[in-house]
Amino acid sequence: GAVVSQHPSWVICKSGTSVKIECRSLDFQATTMFWYRQFPKQSLMLMATSNEGSKATYEQGVEKDKFLINHASLTLSTLTVTSAHPEDSSFYICSARIGQGSFEQYFGPGTRLTVT
Amino acid sequence: QQQVKQSPQSLIVQKGGISIINCAYENTAFDYFPWYQQFPGKGPALLIAIRPDVSEKKEGRFTISFNKSAKQFSLHIMDSQPGDSATYFCAASPRAGAGGTSYGKLTFGQGTILTVHP
Repeated sequence: GAVVSQHPSWVICKSGTSVKIECRSLDFQATTMFWYRQFPKQSLMLMATSNEGSKATYEQGVEKDKFLINHASLTLSTLTVTSAHPEDSSFYICSARIGQGSFEQYFGPGTRLTVT
Repeated sequence: QQQVKQSPQSLIVQKGGISIINCAYENTAFDYFPWYQQFPGKGPALLIAIRPDVSEKKEGRFTISFNKSAKQFSLHIMDSQPGDSATYFCAASPRAGAGGTSYGKLTFGQGTILTVHP
């Protein structure tokens, strides 16, 4: 149980274009999902918290107009990187929390974004 | 205040040995301390987690030791195997009501690259 999927697993796009990444909880409902980015050989940095039916909460320094998050259902959150630039190239990982009162987060397999 | 400091950065252990990774935190509002294992190109996988009301938790070969007064916790991997070679992250999350919107947010340590030699 507690499986989280991401699609696509990797994507290459040209500078200036937008890319959408999907995060799905496959066998549970997730009222809260989180989006992280991870640079090579570094730790995970939280970008934003996504709550179903409400606006995402972004961490300090994360541009909300560049990284659009939508959590339209209890099993799906999307991250859209708008007007992508090479410095946006990174490993993007989502996680989902089971229930409001739970601490446990289960992570997706990640999406490797390369902007050329 | 929000940092979690992890050490060592890298660790080499022989097969069958014990791997020990340490973390320290400052924020007393942290109330949940998980450890994650990450293989290259994959997302982190939850290994084991502890709350501050216990000093030790064991699941199979993995044990968390927790010292509330010192604000430190550690992961012990017994009988380490080559398949355990991965990056390990400690993390911490504040309790409900602490810092308002911070509940459930994980702060990660810097990671430890573990290599287990056969």
